[in-house]
Amino acid sequence: DAGVTQSPTHLIKTRGQQVTLRCSPKSGHDTVSWYQQALGQGPQFIFQYYEEEERQRGNFPDRFSGHQFPNYSSELNVNALLLGDSALYLCASSFWTSGGDTQYFGPGTRLTVL
Amino acid sequence: SQKIEQNSEALNIQEGKTATLTCNYTNYSPAYLQWYRQDPGRGPVFLLLIRENEKEKRKERLKVTFDTTLKQSLFHITASQPADSATYLCAPDTGGFKTIFGAGTRLFVKA
Repeated sequence: DAGVTQSPTHLIKTRGQQVTLRCSPKSGHDTVSWYQQALGQGPQFIFQYYEEEERQRGNFPDRFSGHQFPNYSSELNVNALLLGDSALYLCASSFWTSGGDTQYFGPGTRLTVL
Repeated sequence: SQKIEQNSEALNIQEGKTATLTCNYTNYSPAYLQWYRQDPGRGPVFLLLIRENEKEKRKERLKVTFDTTLKQSLFHITASQPADSATYLCAPDTGGFKTIFGAGTRLFVKA
């Protein structure tokens, strides 16, 4: 059973460009969350998708947008890239229950903005 | 606003000793709290979840306590090994769909 997969592994972009990151959740999972992790910091919640809708959003500008497909896979789009967007972007999947949302993380996409 | 504090300094211990990591939270009352392990350049891996009505939870060499009065969780690794060296993140429940992680504590176990 494949776990959470993300693509690409690494990406280099220049300021002002746009980027799309992709995530396939663990089999049986219906919820996908995206996180941004700067060096030395914990993951910062960007948003969560469930049933193809954005269910909750963290403190990120509208330049960050996403999508979830019927097969539960998801994309994260970032427009007008800034140098400060350089980070490890993590996708996590889970199967939503009211008893606690244990998340399974992918290996991440390392984004460098020059 | 909701705030999570973990030991900002790295923890260095000798192999075989018990490592104790602290997670303090303020301005909310989580129904549960999770601990994750993260190795450099990789995604976090879930370790344990403890609920508010549980004082202590164990899994192999790991033990977590949850004190809702002190608003604190302690994470213990007994008989520590060099392979336990990693960053450990706590994530108290926020009551919604958003997960907030602490900055993590870096643990180094020397052989």
